[in-house]
Amino acid sequence: GAGVSQSPSNKVTEKGKDVELRCDPISGHTALYWYRQSLGQGLEFLIYFQGNSAPDKSGLPSDRFSAERTGGSVSTLTIQRTQQEDSAVYLCASSSQGGSTEAFFGQGTRLTVV
Amino acid sequence: GENVEQHPSTLSVQEGDSAVIKCTYSDSASNYFPWYKQELGKGPQLIIDIRSNVGEKKDQRIAVTLNKTAKHFSLHITETQPEDSAVYFCAASLYSSASKIIFGSGTRLSIRP
Repeated sequence: GAGVSQSPSNKVTEKGKDVELRCDPISGHTALYWYRQSLGQGLEFLIYFQGNSAPDKSGLPSDRFSAERTGGSVSTLTIQRTQQEDSAVYLCASSSQGGSTEAFFGQGTRLTVV
Repeated sequence: GENVEQHPSTLSVQEGDSAVIKCTYSDSASNYFPWYKQELGKGPQLIIDIRSNVGEKKDQRIAVTLNKTAKHFSLHITETQPEDSAVYFCAASLYSSASKIIFGSGTRLSIRP
């Protein structure tokens, strides 16, 4: 498929465990975004990558959150010592040129911390 | 940083009537304003966008207007249909190669038959 792929689609984890969420962007897209969407809420910006570097990580809620991108392609969002308030849908998007072009979203990963 | 406010949070209109969603932004440097539609269980999808050098753009039943002076932009949907029911997000960013996209809080639009 040619779209943005996220895995897993659903993740249930125990409080205090670490989780990794994966995003495979559209091939050739240099920009990659992570957003968090709590139930019935808007899209909260987390971090933005241009290539492998992150010009803006201002949205990461705490130092328990980190993200990396390798080879200008796949990105991983890691949440350490998960808390119940981390429960949300995590959405990844990619675009060919950053903020000026259409961002294509994946289906998201629904994270539930119990 | 940029802040985007969106109103209303919910909107219910009769099928065939028009729907209007309004947004304001804070950063006068923002110059690209996309609108996304999110259906249940799916990621948002771009429906229309406008750049700051244009005041209005139309695509069939959907139109967007921009008032740069007031930092307002709006989405207009005419002749609404049941498939228009979804959550709509406005957004703002810089038209450059290195810019994040900041979204409004969303509007849940329901079309009454």
